[in-house]
Amino acid sequence: DAKTTQPPSMDCAEGRAANLPCNHSTISGNEYVYWYRQIHSQGPQYIIHGLKNNETNEMASLIITEDRKSSTLILPHATLRDTAVYYCIAANAGGTSYGKLTFGQGTILTVHP
Amino acid sequence: DAGVTQSPTHLIKTRGQQVTLRCSPKSGHDTVSWYQQALGQGPQFIFQYYEEEERQRGNFPDRFSGHQFPNYSSELNVNALLLGDSALYLCASRTGGAGGYTFGSGTRLTVV
Repeated sequence: DAKTTQPPSMDCAEGRAANLPCNHSTISGNEYVYWYRQIHSQGPQYIIHGLKNNETNEMASLIITEDRKSSTLILPHATLRDTAVYYCIAANAGGTSYGKLTFGQGTILTVHP
Repeated sequence: DAGVTQSPTHLIKTRGQQVTLRCSPKSGHDTVSWYQQALGQGPQFIFQYYEEEERQRGNFPDRFSGHQFPNYSSELNVNALLLGDSALYLCASRTGGAGGYTFGSGTRLTVV
């Protein structure tokens, strides 16, 4: 799996958009970009994933650069409950080959009132 | 719809003992993975089970073993416990395709 690099911490004001960057310059063509978050003392929560195109769901948007070497997770209106560790992961998808998620240190996002 | 269920939630064991952790995947999911998360670290992949077979394994010793049952539930067994095995053990499940994993809340294992 390709290595990902994220800033160790970020701050965001409540109600504003939180933009979390991730670098994955060695990502291979069949690897997806996945985002998970982990709130203290809970298991990680899946947020969103994408391969080439930008993706949006009820939780967030994922913007992937054309060369796929980096991506940005956007939480459009951050709330205090979005305070968590956010993990960006590059992994193969589909079938039994998709098993291993390599978690790094992630980005600690703190949303302030 | 219940998500991933893990039991027990907390466990204290003595060094050298053996432990079994249990996981019921989310309804409709057939693939189960196990992760170990030490304090302050990201989760580390232990292994994945699909169709009752271990399909992938991370860098963990043979003391760590598992099983998947016909109903897709899974067990993680750790023998000869070490103090360093103290961690949060997470179970995650998914079905086919590129979708994300659903994680349980974990079992907190403390080895004394």
